[in-house]
Amino acid sequence: EPEVTQTPSHQVTQMGQEVILRCVPISNHLYFYWYRQILGQKVEFLVSFYNNEISEKSEIFDDQFSVERPDGSNFTLKIRSTKLEDSAMYFCASSRLVSTGELFFGEGSRLTVL
Amino acid sequence: AQSVTQLDSHVSVSEGTPVLLRCNYSSSYSPSLFWYVQHPNKGLQLLLKYTSAATLVKGINGFEAEFKKSETSFHLTKPSAHMSDAAEYFCVVSDRASGGSYIPTFGRGTSLIVHP
Repeated sequence: EPEVTQTPSHQVTQMGQEVILRCVPISNHLYFYWYRQILGQKVEFLVSFYNNEISEKSEIFDDQFSVERPDGSNFTLKIRSTKLEDSAMYFCASSRLVSTGELFFGEGSRLTVL
Repeated sequence: AQSVTQLDSHVSVSEGTPVLLRCNYSSSYSPSLFWYVQHPNKGLQLLLKYTSAATLVKGINGFEAEFKKSETSFHLTKPSAHMSDAAEYFCVVSDRASGGSYIPTFGRGTSLIVHP
């Protein structure tokens, strides 16, 4: 069964460092998402991506964040200068059809900022 | 704007007894609704979905949910809990955002605890 894969599963970084989280969506999916879940809190929408551009983004997704699909398979989330409060589990998701909103999630990348 | 409220942060049941996880939503349009499950240190797995077909939706592992438009609810039920059902459950509403695309919005989650 096709699945969304994310790397790394866990990354520890120092405050101020750049981090790139990688995702390989399901191959025939066209819509891509990043969500985050701070420990003990709700799963929050960050950004959606379609046709090589951002389609929606939340207030959380400020100038420190960027996404791209560099090679037609990977979908990356970059945090330019990490802050302590960026520590969270980051989930990538993909969807074949935008109209239903059914997402297929990866297992997440846990980011710890020290 | 859309939102989803999960009324209970924790639900505790005994193995073999029924499960009820409550979810209410608000949406400007006709939403799609989902329940996802998250086992410890795992990703999010789709349990079931409602996308304007039958109002009673059956999912995996014996779970089902009923869409009640008049009550704006989409409660998740299971007749008999199993120890393996212990997990975090998220109700999700997906509606058209300002930019025209659909953005799934998560509830805060309900932690299901199953006692032997």
